[in-house]
Amino acid sequence: DGGITQSPKYLFRKEGQNVTLSCEQNLNHDAMYWYRQDPGQGLRLIYYSQIVNDFQKGDIAEGYSVSREKKESFPLTVTSAQKNPTAFYLCASSIEHTATGNSPLHFGNGTRLTVT
Amino acid sequence: ELKVEQNPLFLSMQEGKNYTIYCNYSTTSDRLYWYRQDPGKSLESLFVLLSNGAVKQEGRLMASLDTKARLSTLHITAAVHDLSATYFCAVDEETSGSRLTFGEGTQLTVNP
Repeated sequence: DGGITQSPKYLFRKEGQNVTLSCEQNLNHDAMYWYRQDPGQGLRLIYYSQIVNDFQKGDIAEGYSVSREKKESFPLTVTSAQKNPTAFYLCASSIEHTATGNSPLHFGNGTRLTVT
Repeated sequence: ELKVEQNPLFLSMQEGKNYTIYCNYSTTSDRLYWYRQDPGKSLESLFVLLSNGAVKQEGRLMASLDTKARLSTLHITAAVHDLSATYFCAVDEETSGSRLTFGEGTQLTVNP
């Protein structure tokens, strides 16, 4: 079955350490996205990529980095510069970069990151 | 900056009752999406609304879009416990062409 796989489901790190969250999709989607979810704040866009080897900052990119070396993969690194990294991270993809037509975002199951 | 506001943010209702969740947005757009999220889970797409006057229905849920008023509604008919979840609307920013802005979500609890 096609879908988006995020791993791990839960991740614990010490403050000051970088950590990379994995996101893989086998939907053959061009566009991929990373969102952060905090309680009561909905989802906020961190980074997105419309095509391989290209990506753009979202609304809250500071302290994060991404790469898009393959169409299927869009890993997110949470760096030590991110001041409040504890959150639920959701990866998504869509057929087109504009998420138009009947192609809404398809989400992975998320990674819950806790930094202490 | 596009702002998307939902109300109410919390909704507790009894089974069998009807209610409406509202989603207002601040800029021109004719693409609006509704998602459902169960606790600790991912988001599931419910409706895609792509034009003014669009109406979609699935079971006890019906969504509509009024682009002139910059308003979408999610109407719940004869609520059942299984509808308990958090519902998000999201708006596609036409000018940026590649990003959704989400509302804060409406946490719905349907009591037996």
